[in-house]
Amino acid sequence: GQSLEQPSEVTAVEGAIVQINCTYQTSGFYGLSWYQQHDGGAPTFLSYNALDGLEETGRFSSFLSRSDSYGYLLLQELQMKDSASYFCAVKDSGAGSYQLTFGKGTKLSVIP
Amino acid sequence: DAGVIQSPRHEVTEMGQEVTLRCKPISGHDYLFWYRQTMMRGLELLIYFNNNVPIDDSGMPEDRFSAKMPNASFSTLKIQPSEPRDSAVYFCASSLGPTGPYTEAFFGQGTRLTVV
Repeated sequence: GQSLEQPSEVTAVEGAIVQINCTYQTSGFYGLSWYQQHDGGAPTFLSYNALDGLEETGRFSSFLSRSDSYGYLLLQELQMKDSASYFCAVKDSGAGSYQLTFGKGTKLSVIP
Repeated sequence: DAGVIQSPRHEVTEMGQEVTLRCKPISGHDYLFWYRQTMMRGLELLIYFNNNVPIDDSGMPEDRFSAKMPNASFSTLKIQPSEPRDSAVYFCASSLGPTGPYTEAFFGQGTRLTVV
């Protein structure tokens, strides 16, 4: 089966940088995704890493190390609107079928 | 495209009643997913379809749950009979493909189900 571990809560100051880590265990790994979900809203896609290294999209960056089964989401120049839950998700081919499995999410609170 | 459309947005029903949740995926997307979200268990994959065919329903909790996709633009998730522990937000999502540049899953706004 698949399992993902990420911190349940993180608090950071507006304008600062925060890193949210994710470790995973899967079979047939394809890649690691990150999603953002505001309270009462739907998860929205942020980034996807299939290969080792850093992917940058504006203020957000995502990193993957396949050998360590580890990734992180880096948020820079934090804004109040970044307060949300962030989910890592693995795409794998367990049992021969394609799956997108989510972690429990990290609730980020940005404070003034 | 209007995105993934789910209905209803909210549903309150009595225990034992049948509940049907509906989803219209984004046109052209070959994959459709049903997820359930609760505080305790997070986002759980219930079932997914590829080209209208159910591929993996191992996440469906019990026989009370069933899902269909009669055509490329419509899917239903049915709970019969419903129980209070089924109360959750149910999300439908669609994507172009499983890997590479088609990996992004687009989520609907969800159906908040309350079974009393």
